Amino acid sequence: GENVEQHPSTLSVQEGDSAVIKCTYSDSASNYFPWYKQELGKRPQLIIDIRSNVGEKKDQRIAVTLNKTAKHFSLHITETQPEDSAVYFCAASKTTGNQFYFGTGTSLTVIP
Amino acid sequence: DAGITQSPRYKITETGRQVTLMCHQTWSHSYMFWYRQDLGHGLRLIYYSAAADITDKGEVSDGYVVSRSKTENFPLTLESATRSQTSVYFCATQPQETQYFGPGTRLLVL
Repeated sequence: GENVEQHPSTLSVQEGDSAVIKCTYSDSASNYFPWYKQELGKRPQLIIDIRSNVGEKKDQRIAVTLNKTAKHFSLHITETQPEDSAVYFCAASKTTGNQFYFGTGTSLTVIP
Repeated sequence: DAGITQSPRYKITETGRQVTLMCHQTWSHSYMFWYRQDLGHGLRLIYYSAAADITDKGEVSDGYVVSRSKTENFPLTLESATRSQTSVYFCATQPQETQYFGPGTRLLVL
């Protein structure tokens, strides 16, 4: 089955700096890569996703890049703010109805 | 997000008891999933369902049972709770590619 690894497990940045979280996957058939943000005590919520036919996607301060050859994808948050502090999860899946394989999460702390 | 609910939100039970966690969606999405979330493990799939009366095991299904007699409901039952099943449980639906999660049930097994 698929194996998704996520690094780092914890990340602290100063407010205004950028944060980068990286994930690798093992199954070359995976073609959908969502990122979730989970605040303390809340449910995971989708913040951005990318499909295998796209190399990069951006939404305001958040961007995701995908390197299919190397089987890795990354989340980039620019101009970080304290409200970006949360746990971020990456995931990989093949098609609708197939399970998501999640990374183990990155706890991001933005220091004011 | 309000379209998917879970109950109870918090549950304390004892080892050996049967516990059922409920998941309800107001939509009619075919796919539904149950995950457990534990520190250091992220979200792990317990069971999923492609439609009413169609269910399949995930990677951590031992000790759990599901049913899906109606499209909108997907209950998860712990047949004989163990301490290792102390966790936060999330239900999810998948209208297309993305999965949307319920608010979660925090379960403590004493």
